[in-house]
Amino acid sequence: EDQVTQSPEALRLQEGESSSLNCSYTVSGLRGLFWYRQDPGKGPEFLFTLYSAGEEKEKERLKATLTKKESFLHITAPKPEDSATYLCAVRGGSNYKLTFGKGTLLTVNP
Amino acid sequence: ETGVTQSPTHLIKTRGQQVTLRCSSQSGHNTVSWYQQALGQGPQFIFQYYREEENGRGNFPPRFSGLQFPNYSSELNVNALELDDSALYLCASSLSPRGYQETQYFGPGTRLLVL
Repeated sequence: EDQVTQSPEALRLQEGESSSLNCSYTVSGLRGLFWYRQDPGKGPEFLFTLYSAGEEKEKERLKATLTKKESFLHITAPKPEDSATYLCAVRGGSNYKLTFGKGTLLTVNP
Repeated sequence: ETGVTQSPTHLIKTRGQQVTLRCSSQSGHNTVSWYQQALGQGPQFIFQYYREEENGRGNFPPRFSGLQFPNYSSELNVNALELDDSALYLCASSLSPRGYQETQYFGPGTRLLVL
């Protein structure tokens, strides 16, 4: 069964203080690793999809990387508007579903 | 391009009642997946519909059922509501369930409270 573990559960940063979020996964035949951002009470907003180890994708202050066992979401010089819960999910093998981690709650203070 | 929409936004029901939640998929998408998200947890897969047929199901009891219509919109029905059914219900649409490069796009969710 596919499993996803995210760490830390919560992270508090000062504006401009760069850091990384971790997503460790176990999956049979990775068909995609997905990062989403979720604001309180709203649906997840798609950020990135990674398909193979070594792949990297960037969007504004965010950069996602992938190895065979984990993915990192690097946040460079974050702003208060980056505060949200960041969710990691995997799709494996012949599965049609996404398996999510519990998320990392990021708070960026001005 | 219209994104995924869901209705209603909020709902309050009593234990034992039945509820129907609705979802319109993103333009061009023929696959709809439903997820349940309890407070402080990641979304949990309920089931997926592709071309009006159930394409897969997670670990949810039969009182959770669904439909997909010819226009690819979908309904989630929950019978005999229990207190633990209180959650954010998310609908996600995608281009195809079998495509290698498939991304699911989520709607805003329906917040269900069971009293």
